Amino acid sequence: QVQLVQSGAEVKKPGSSVKVSCKASGGTFSSYTINWVRQAPGQGLEWMGRIIPMLGIANYAQRIQGRVTITADKSTSTAHMELSRLRSEDTAMYYCAREHEEFDAFDIWGQGTMVTVSS
Amino acid sequence: QSALTQPASVSGSPGQSITISCTGTSSDVGSYNLVSWYQQHPGKAPKLMIYEGSKRPSGVSNRFSGSKSGNTASLTISGLQAEDEGDYYCCSYAGSSSFWVFGGGTKLTVL
Repeated sequence: QVQLVQSGAEVKKPGSSVKVSCKASGGTFSSYTINWVRQAPGQGLEWMGRIIPMLGIANYAQRIQGRVTITADKSTSTAHMELSRLRSEDTAMYYCAREHEEFDAFDIWGQGTMVTVSS
Repeated sequence: QSALTQPASVSGSPGQSITISCTGTSSDVGSYNLVSWYQQHPGKAPKLMIYEGSKRPSGVSNRFSGSKSGNTASLTISGLQAEDEGDYYCCSYAGSSSFWVFGGGTKLTVL
């Protein structure tokens, strides 16, 4: 059974960067797509981007394109999401989620990583 | 890409049925049969309840069903139970430039 385990909470200053990791266990990491979704406190879900580890191809939401970089390390079955030029509005819970190999939906989610941006 | 439109809240009594709507556009919900629904309890990660509009993953109760008509998808929960209380989000594929768009979420209260 595939599990996604994310790195721990982060507190960052405005203008800095944060890198969140998502390690997969079980399954074949390269064969599925990893997505990143964030949720500001009390708010809804926002899709940020995705990566296909097998191809190393990443796609990003237009709203944050230019500030977000998603990578995948097949040797460690780990995906990373780096967000730069942080603002207070980036304070949120960040989730990684697997896109199932056979149907297009997010069937497995990480536990979430809280990122707080504060001066 | 704008978020899909969901009602902010719905409520129902135990045993009743409720329906949550999710309205998009011809660029997302209307063009693809790739709407999924997620349940989220406080402090927890979302859980997949419905995919491809009407299919249930293994382990999800058959009290949950999904449908679509035009640009609007719907999630129906029958035989409401206290454990169904939480937030529900729809999500649709929106093409190869926007990929995925979520709804704003609906808070379900079981009275």
